[in-house]
Amino acid sequence: AQSVTQLGSHVSVSEGALVLLRCNYSSSVPPYLFWYVQYPNQGLQLLLKYTSAATLVKGINGFEAEFKKSETSFHLTKPSAHMSDAAEYFCAVSDRAAGNKLTFGGGTRVLVKP
Amino acid sequence: GAVVSQHPSRVICKSGTSVKIECRSLDFQATTMFWYRQFPKQSLMLMATSNEGSKATYEQGVEKDKFLINHASLTLSTLTVTSAHPEDSSFYICSVMNNEQFFGPGTRLTVL
Repeated sequence: AQSVTQLGSHVSVSEGALVLLRCNYSSSVPPYLFWYVQYPNQGLQLLLKYTSAATLVKGINGFEAEFKKSETSFHLTKPSAHMSDAAEYFCAVSDRAAGNKLTFGGGTRVLVKP
Repeated sequence: GAVVSQHPSRVICKSGTSVKIECRSLDFQATTMFWYRQFPKQSLMLMATSNEGSKATYEQGVEKDKFLINHASLTLSTLTVTSAHPEDSSFYICSVMNNEQFFGPGTRLTVL
């Protein structure tokens, strides 16, 4: 079975500061990993994904994530937070052996202070 | 990619009634769709995998007789919450599988 753990249910950053959201996964096969963003009362928007190519993945809105197999991690970063980054962020792992079902982490809510 | 819509976006119903939620793939013929439930301040939990022309596959703990899924065409899957109760109040999100999952905007169900 696959699982995802996001450390920190809430993160508060100042505008212009580094955003770091942590994600660790467990998977019996090489994983496909995803980061999604969710704004209130909306669906999920894909930020970026890792599918076994480059370990450093660049996504939309200035976000990037690095796949580290040795640490089973896929942390999300953004060098400079913007007020519009305030949202809920979910890390997910895809079970390619079971129809690409996604298992989500618990989510991290980001608050950006002016 | 895929553009996914859901209808309605919000619904309020009385306890004991049934509610149908539609998930449409607007620009892609989807053989597989997924249904998720998200309780307030929680993550998404997969309820079932909807396959066009066949029975849905439900996750453990999800009552298939309560959450009826119909995927009658390549562009439409429906989730019917039968005999809804207040504990069924939640945010229901569907997704379409096209190499990766593309999500709908969600449906907020409130059962009084």
